[in-house]
Amino acid sequence: EAGVAQSPRYKIIEKRQSVAFWCNPISGHATLYWYQQILGQGPKLLIQFQNNGVVDDSQLPKDRFSAERLKGVDSTLKIQPAKLEDSAVYLCASSLAHERGTEKLFFGSGTQLSVL
Amino acid sequence: GESVGLHLPTLSVQEGDNSIINCAYSNSASDYFIWYKQESGKGPQFIIDIRSNMDKRQGQRVTVLLNKTVKHLSLQIAATQPGDSAVYFCAENRGTGGFKTIFGAGTRLFVKA
Repeated sequence: EAGVAQSPRYKIIEKRQSVAFWCNPISGHATLYWYQQILGQGPKLLIQFQNNGVVDDSQLPKDRFSAERLKGVDSTLKIQPAKLEDSAVYLCASSLAHERGTEKLFFGSGTQLSVL
Repeated sequence: GESVGLHLPTLSVQEGDNSIINCAYSNSASDYFIWYKQESGKGPQFIIDIRSNMDKRQGQRVTVLLNKTVKHLSLQIAATQPGDSAVYFCAENRGTGGFKTIFGAGTRLFVKA
């Protein structure tokens, strides 16, 4: 079974530039998540989709971050404009069901973003 | 505030010894807990989970204990191996108008040969 695919693997940009990350979840997984992981910290949930609808985006800095999941399959996360503090690993995860007690997440390898 | 955290940021054990990684949570409404392992350059990987109606669950070489009275859970790794070296996160699944997984800060486990 193919895992969660993410690209690019690494990205280096200057502050105020824009960047986009792509994620393809495991086939059949209805729920997709974007997490931000700053070095030395645990992953922080940015946004959670159920099919193509947003379930939770309370932690997404909406003035600069946006995400979409068209057709309920793959997803893109965009940052525009980037700030130095956005340097982090952006992890995409998917799960089979959005039900109580069944949210075992499967993660991709992440995109490591460096903002200079 | 709500948080899931760990008591120790690093843990060093001798190969073959047992490891115990602890985690405290503050939201008594959480009813599902998960341990993830993250190796360098990779995303977190599921290890074991436990629901709040249980106090112990065992897997292959791993055991999770849940103490709801003091809001504490632990991960025990038996006969720790070099391949167990990684960062371990506890996470809780909360449902307040939608279920989301909240991660703690993590514990880095070093296994000495």
